[in-house]
Amino acid sequence: AQSVAQPEDQVNVAEGNPLTVKCTYSVSGNPYLFWYVQYPNRGLQFLLKYITGDNLVKGSYGFEAEFNKSQTSFHLKKPSALVSDSALYFCAVRVTGFQKLVFGTGTRLLVSP
Amino acid sequence: DAGVIQSPRHEVTEMGQEVTLRCKPISGHNSLFWYRQTMMRGLELLIYFNNNVPIDDSGMPEDRFSAKMPNASFSTLKIQPSEPRDSAVYFCASRPSGRASADTQYFGPGTRLTVL
Repeated sequence: AQSVAQPEDQVNVAEGNPLTVKCTYSVSGNPYLFWYVQYPNRGLQFLLKYITGDNLVKGSYGFEAEFNKSQTSFHLKKPSALVSDSALYFCAVRVTGFQKLVFGTGTRLLVSP
Repeated sequence: DAGVIQSPRHEVTEMGQEVTLRCKPISGHNSLFWYRQTMMRGLELLIYFNNNVPIDDSGMPEDRFSAKMPNASFSTLKIQPSEPRDSAVYFCASRPSGRASADTQYFGPGTRLTVL
């Protein structure tokens, strides 16, 4: 069965420093992978996705993610964190043969001034 | 586009009462998803529709929960009777048709349900 794992409940980083939010996946076949962000009292917002092609995917708000097939990972990255990036981040994978996504448990990112 | 619209944004009710949550997907989207989010269980898919037809309702927790999509622009999630453990934030999401979308879902702002 398709699944994603986000091993960190929370990531703390200082403003201006690079950030990484980790995600590993388990799928049969080629993975469709997604990152979403949730700000307080809001719905999830799409950040970026990997379908095929370049392993480095660029998305909204300066975020990018690197697809690594050998490590079955899809880590979210940003070169310089902002306090406004503080939010809950979800990794997701499409279930093969279905239109639905399976979401990870989420990682809370806290960027300190 | 206004995005996915959900109503009400907040609902407080007493145990045993019927609760109806509403969703208007983005125009032109042909798939609709209902999720529930709690601290304990995270984000759970309850049911999803494709072209107004329920495709997978395996996430619906009990018979107390039901969902309908009478047309392409409206869906409801009903809980009858409600229980305190149903307290959660309920999200609706929609997805456009076509391969280019590659399953990107667009979420509404959610309905925060509190059952006393």
